[in-house]
Amino acid sequence: DQQVKQNSPSLSVQEGRISILNCDYTNSMFDYFLWYKKYPAEGPTFLISISSIKDKNEDGRFTVFLNKSAKHLSLHIVPSQPGDSAVYFCAAKLTSGTYKYIFGTGTRLKVLA
Amino acid sequence: DAGITQSPRYKITETGRQVTLMCHQTWSHSYMFWYRQDLGHGLRLIYYSAAADITDKGEVPDGYVVSRSKTENFPLTLESATRSQTSVYFCASSEDETQYFGPGTRLTVL
Repeated sequence: DQQVKQNSPSLSVQEGRISILNCDYTNSMFDYFLWYKKYPAEGPTFLISISSIKDKNEDGRFTVFLNKSAKHLSLHIVPSQPGDSAVYFCAAKLTSGTYKYIFGTGTRLKVLA
Repeated sequence: DAGITQSPRYKITETGRQVTLMCHQTWSHSYMFWYRQDLGHGLRLIYYSAAADITDKGEVPDGYVVSRSKTENFPLTLESATRSQTSVYFCASSEDETQYFGPGTRLTVL
């Protein structure tokens, strides 16, 4: 059973517009969430995080929103740039005291110039 | 160089052979992790380690063995490789909520 879901395998956005990547989860015991960006032939790179005690976190062009009641988080990229074209993974951690994460299946973002 | 490295970057082996993938980190992070990435599955945790000599299973541990005799190294061994273990393997380390990944090893089992 997939506890962390990214239901859109791919997304195309025009340069300069907003990219919105979505992630849904089923376990209310997740207390911390991460977003990673992955380019081909490279390892995932940490992008931004959010704790379950917050509903928003910003870092430059990247903002993550958390809706706990809906068990939904989203990553907003504004403005989108061609260099943002990559696969994006969301990941969720249980409140178990360890740093184990469950990852979603990823969304491939293509930013069109 | 500082960071997390994996070797080899590419490996081709045959069914039934033993293969060891290496992971080395220079940050002295307590936690280390092994994931595999497969199409349609994202990243799945194979094993993780909270400290030297402490390891535990993740979501997909069958067919894999790990050890952690030193904090900086976390090798992953496929004792008898199978075609279903063809994948890209990522090692990661952390000291808090953020995990840092290595560049990956692409393993092909023929």
